[in-house]
Amino acid sequence: SQQGEEDPQALSIQEGENATMNCSYKTSINNLQWYRQNSGRGLVHLILIRSNEREKHSGRLRVTLDTSKKSSSLLITASRAADTASYFCATARISSGSARQLTFGSGTQLTVLP
Amino acid sequence: DTGVSQDPRHKITKRGQNVTFRCDPISEHNRLYWYRQTLGQGPEFLTYFQNEAQLEKSRLLSDRFSAERPKGSFSTLEIQRTEQGDSAMYLCASSGDSSGANVLTFGAGSRLTVL
Repeated sequence: SQQGEEDPQALSIQEGENATMNCSYKTSINNLQWYRQNSGRGLVHLILIRSNEREKHSGRLRVTLDTSKKSSSLLITASRAADTASYFCATARISSGSARQLTFGSGTQLTVLP
Repeated sequence: DTGVSQDPRHKITKRGQNVTFRCDPISEHNRLYWYRQTLGQGPEFLTYFQNEAQLEKSRLLSDRFSAERPKGSFSTLEIQRTEQGDSAMYLCASSGDSSGANVLTFGAGSRLTVL
């Protein structure tokens, strides 16, 4: 079963615009991660935010986490055509002191038009 | 080290046949995961190894599925008596961070088509 739900399911924007994707989850977590997947390929880790953090930045990426609302958002600024991909949030549950299993959401398909 | 390798990348088989996928993780990673992904969906957890021990299995892993990780290095995922519903991308990932955060490095996947 998938714990996270991304919103929107699909997003189409022009190059240079910002893209925001949201993720909601159900259980208490150790951390939340965002991954990117190009068509037909494996997933690539983008950024991790721990449950005691509220915001994190990495290059053009900004992630927020609201544990009271069990939600996270991923912002990609100044998007490029090469950002076209599926983006997944993944939650690591608190389990035996170590977040051993990641549960993925259903993903947001981002298309950046040149 | 070139990352996580999966073989074969594509497999077409007839219903009822057995198939086996292989995963070679990053050599220093002690944790290895198998996920299944169908079109338009996120990866679904199948099973997890720490070294050679299989520590967790999803209910998705029916009796027809078996995974091994002998000697704690490469892993195999075998599907017996394949069904059309088994058609999916099978993703392997490994992790070795000591922080407990569990960032996964994925392979490119093995796509299975059952006719």
